[in-house]
Amino acid sequence: DAGVTQSPTHLIKTRGQQVTLRCSPKSGHDTVSWYQQALGQGPQFIFQYYEEEERQRGNFPDRFSGHQFPNYSSELNVNALLLGDSALYLCASSLRLTNSPLHFGNGTRLTVT
Amino acid sequence: KNEVEQSPQNLTAQEGEFITINCSYSVGISALHWLQQHPGGGIVSLFMLSSGKKKHGRLIATINIQEKHSSLHITASHPRDSAVYICAVRVPGTYKYIFGTGTRLKVLA
Repeated sequence: DAGVTQSPTHLIKTRGQQVTLRCSPKSGHDTVSWYQQALGQGPQFIFQYYEEEERQRGNFPDRFSGHQFPNYSSELNVNALLLGDSALYLCASSLRLTNSPLHFGNGTRLTVT
Repeated sequence: KNEVEQSPQNLTAQEGEFITINCSYSVGISALHWLQQHPGGGIVSLFMLSSGKKKHGRLIATINIQEKHSSLHITASHPRDSAVYICAVRVPGTYKYIFGTGTRLKVLA
């Protein structure tokens, strides 16, 4: 039973570029949340997707957008990259209709130069 | 002031010691998670609590809803317990979690 998988594991981009990160949820899970974790900090909630729609959003600018596909996998897109976007991006999946534990992927480490 | 505060921020212990990590929060919650993050980034959920106490192996987690406080205890600590331990609370009526900044634990052999 595969857990949450994220790709790529590492990525280096230049300021102003755009990036797409991918997440496949744990088998049986229907909800995907994305988090940004800066070095030495706790994760910050970006947004959550369920039924292919953004259901909730944290305090992140519109440069951060996402998508969920019918198979529940998800993408996080960041446009016009800034140096401050350098962070570990974590995906977590869960079952929406239960108070189920979060299952995290290993993250994508994005470096913006 | 952060809505979720952890203490201590850093902790070094000798193998075999009993360890306590604390989490205090200032918001109403529907659940609290204790998470373990190893170097490289992967996060593992250790416990999800909404009341009382849970035990798994050498790990014990407690929560006091009235005092808005939770503790994670590690008995007979081992070097493989070295990791960052993060407390995360779920905001009621939402699926949003607020995370603490973590406690970095190092257990020396």
